[in-house]
Amino acid sequence: DTAVSQTPKYLVTQMGNDKSIKCEQNLGHDTMYWYKQDSKKFLKIMFSYNNKELIINETVPNRFSPKSPDKAHLNLHINSLELGDSAVYFCASSQVHLGDRVNYGYTFGSGTRLTVV
Amino acid sequence: AQKITQTQPGMFVQEKEAVTLDCTYDTSDPSYGLFWYKQPSSGEMIFLIYQGSYDQQNATEGRYSLNFQKARKSANLVISASQLGDSAMYFCAMREGPGSDYKLSFGAGTTVTVRA
Repeated sequence: DTAVSQTPKYLVTQMGNDKSIKCEQNLGHDTMYWYKQDSKKFLKIMFSYNNKELIINETVPNRFSPKSPDKAHLNLHINSLELGDSAVYFCASSQVHLGDRVNYGYTFGSGTRLTVV
Repeated sequence: AQKITQTQPGMFVQEKEAVTLDCTYDTSDPSYGLFWYKQPSSGEMIFLIYQGSYDQQNATEGRYSLNFQKARKSANLVISASQLGDSAMYFCAMREGPGSDYKLSFGAGTTVTVRA
């Protein structure tokens, strides 16, 4: 199946721990993203990588570090987890370099619900 | 400043009726795309419909249509013949051109509840 897959789907961990979320896409897209959805369901971009190069780095604590080993993978590592990091994290991919009249929307993964206790 | 505004936090609609979800946007970029996504209670983000800023006609996808009024900067989603499975949160989103690194900005969402 062509898709964006992220693991794990659920992650429960204690404050202070370090954890990673993995994301892979087999759509051949050149750009991948991490979004955070908070408890009020608001979606905010965190990072974007285009062909393994970081192009968007929003105001995110430096405890969050994305890593893109190749253009099909974008992982998110979080150090020293805090209660406020509890959220749903979505990975997404898109093909950026297309003409104006082409649908260049995002394909989202199914999300990772992170709970910090 | 908020780029995407959805003013309806929640709406109720009777099964088989139509519902319109409001969305206004703010951009000075002449080239942009507008999207609607559905997020059911299971949590996944499902793409519904796309409208490009240069498209002359309103986009339609099955029971979904987008009422695009460029001068008013609005991109309302119309769901016709509502079904119980349409109960979900709906997000309007906009993607601008290279100046914004093509990122997708989302509105706050509208929760739709379809009643039998």
